[in-house]
Amino acid sequence: DQQVKQNSPSLSVQEGRISILNCDYTNSMFDYFLWYKKYPAEGPTFLISISSIKDKNEDGRFTVFLNKSAKHLSLHIVPSQPGDSAVYFCAASGGGYKLSFGAGTTVTVRA
Amino acid sequence: GAGVSQSPSNKVTEKGKDVELRCDPISGHTALYWYRQRLGQGLEFLIYFQGNSAPDKSGLPSDRFSAERTGESVSTLTIQRTQQEDSAVYLCASSFRARDEQFFGPGTRLTVL
Repeated sequence: DQQVKQNSPSLSVQEGRISILNCDYTNSMFDYFLWYKKYPAEGPTFLISISSIKDKNEDGRFTVFLNKSAKHLSLHIVPSQPGDSAVYFCAASGGGYKLSFGAGTTVTVRA
Repeated sequence: GAGVSQSPSNKVTEKGKDVELRCDPISGHTALYWYRQRLGQGLEFLIYFQGNSAPDKSGLPSDRFSAERTGESVSTLTIQRTQQEDSAVYLCASSFRARDEQFFGPGTRLTVL
């Protein structure tokens, strides 16, 4: 049973515009959420995280929003750049080391 | 090396054979994780090692799967009597301590014919 879901397998966006990636979770015990980015033939790399005590965390062009009541988080990339084309994974943990991952969203940034 | 390395990068095997996958974590990282990603799915936790503590094997899908780690260094994931449903990318990650950022290797793509 997947506890973290990314319902959009792919997203295409024009360079310079905003990319919005969505993630839903079912486990109310999750208290820490992360986004990972993955290029082909490489392992995922950590991008940004948010604790459940916050509703927003910003790092440069990347912002993660958390809506605990809706069990929903999103990643905004502004402005999108060609190098942002990759697979993005949402992940969550509940007080421990185990991460539950979504299936990923493939982002393509068009020039 | 600077990052997590895994070998082989690709492995094709016949159903019923045993395979061994290797992970070299970042030096000094006490925690090591194995994940599996099947086609179209997210990463699935398999096993966790932390220092000299007993590993958390709760994610291993069957008793055909086992893993070992030598101290705080190399780990091997062994799959016995492989089945076609074992086909996946197997990813290893390490972190300085539990709950710290996990650094992933490039993965081993296993194909069972």
